Amino acid sequence: DTGVSQDPRHKITKRGQNVTFRCDPISEHNRLYWYRQTLGQGPEFLTYFQNEAQLEKSRLLSDRFSAERPKGSFSTLEIQRTEQGDSAMYLCASSGRDQGTIYFGEGSWLTVV
Amino acid sequence: GENVEQHPSTLSVQEGDSAVIKCTYSDSASNYFPWYKQELGKRPQLIIDIRSNVGEKKDQRIAVTLNKTAKHFSLHITETQPEDSAVYFCAASKKGTNTGNQFYFGTGTSLTVIP
Repeated sequence: DTGVSQDPRHKITKRGQNVTFRCDPISEHNRLYWYRQTLGQGPEFLTYFQNEAQLEKSRLLSDRFSAERPKGSFSTLEIQRTEQGDSAMYLCASSGRDQGTIYFGEGSWLTVV
Repeated sequence: GENVEQHPSTLSVQEGDSAVIKCTYSDSASNYFPWYKQELGKRPQLIIDIRSNVGEKKDQRIAVTLNKTAKHFSLHITETQPEDSAVYFCAASKKGTNTGNQFYFGTGTSLTVIP
């Protein structure tokens, strides 16, 4: 499968714990995006990488959230001190050099209890 | 920033009928408008897209129209089938620009095709 892959697909955590999600983009794509989606809503932009550089961050991305893409390939999204409001699906997407269409992964569902 | 509004939020049609979903956008600089289909618990998948230099695009039973002056674009599905049942999202971005990295999504339309 050469699509965007995300891990884990589901995570249940206690409030206050830290969680980390991983995304592996389509191999030839240099642009990588993180989005958050809650039930009944469209995906909301969180952050964007071009190669290893994090070029854009949404105001939604509080200081408890950090994303990295150290070698310009896979990316991680860490949420520290999780809150119940963080419960959502975290979608990773990637696109090629022409800023073409973004292709989504299957998402990582987070439930904070 | 860009604001994308999508209507209706829910839509039920009889199998074989047509379905139309409409979106409006606020930023006249937006030039790329994809549509995604999302089945329950699955990833959003691109079904069709249109660029601002084109007024209409078709792909079998799916078509998208764009009115740049009015800043709205629509998804048309003809001869609907039960497997078309899903949530559909429109999006807008400024492809090819320095600020074209954000895709702004509508709130989605839940389409149900009744057999």
